[in-house]
Amino acid sequence: AQKVTQAQTEISVVEKEDVTLDCVYETRDTTYYLFWYKQPPSGELVFLIRRNSFDEQNEISGRYSWNFQKSTSSFNFTITASQVVDSAVYFCALSETMDTGRRALTFGSGTRLQVQP
Amino acid sequence: KAGVTQTPRYLIKTRGQQVTLSCSPISGHRSVSWYQQTPGQGLQFLFEYFSETQRNKGNFPGRFSGRQFSNSRSEMNVSTLELGDSALYLCASSLEQGARSDEQFFGPGTRLTVL
Repeated sequence: AQKVTQAQTEISVVEKEDVTLDCVYETRDTTYYLFWYKQPPSGELVFLIRRNSFDEQNEISGRYSWNFQKSTSSFNFTITASQVVDSAVYFCALSETMDTGRRALTFGSGTRLQVQP
Repeated sequence: KAGVTQTPRYLIKTRGQQVTLSCSPISGHRSVSWYQQTPGQGLQFLFEYFSETQRNKGNFPGRFSGRQFSNSRSEMNVSTLELGDSALYLCASSLEQGARSDEQFFGPGTRLTVL
């Protein structure tokens, strides 16, 4: 079965520090998709990025960057110059092919990021 | 464009009762998925509906069911509620077009408390 591991349960940093959230996954699919979502206290999951297994280019979007390494089955997320508004729970997810042949998201357990002013 | 909306946002029920939660997807999105989020089990996939048909289902008992209407709005129902059903129920919609069909957009969730 597919599995997503976010070993860091909680991270606390001071504003303006850089922080990296780790994500390691397991899958037997040859084609798969990886995601990062942010969940602020309001509860809504906010989509951050989608990456397919054939695209190993790193991506940068403003203060956010993602490092996808297929060789180590990792899809890490870095926030540069963190801000208090970045405080949230961040989930890594893998698009999993189920017995039905359809895909569903398998989520990691999440990393709670606290950015202190 | 309006996002995914879910009603009600909060709900309190007692054991043995049943509950119905509603989800309206983003306009134009035809696929709706439901997830349960609990502190112990995390985020788990419940089921997915497309064109009024359930086409994918997670590992949940038959007490959990859903349906989708012709306008893509979806409801999920939980019968004979148990204390362990207390959770945040999240609905997600996606645009069923080729490679981007995996991209799901989530609503704010319905927080269900079972007493």
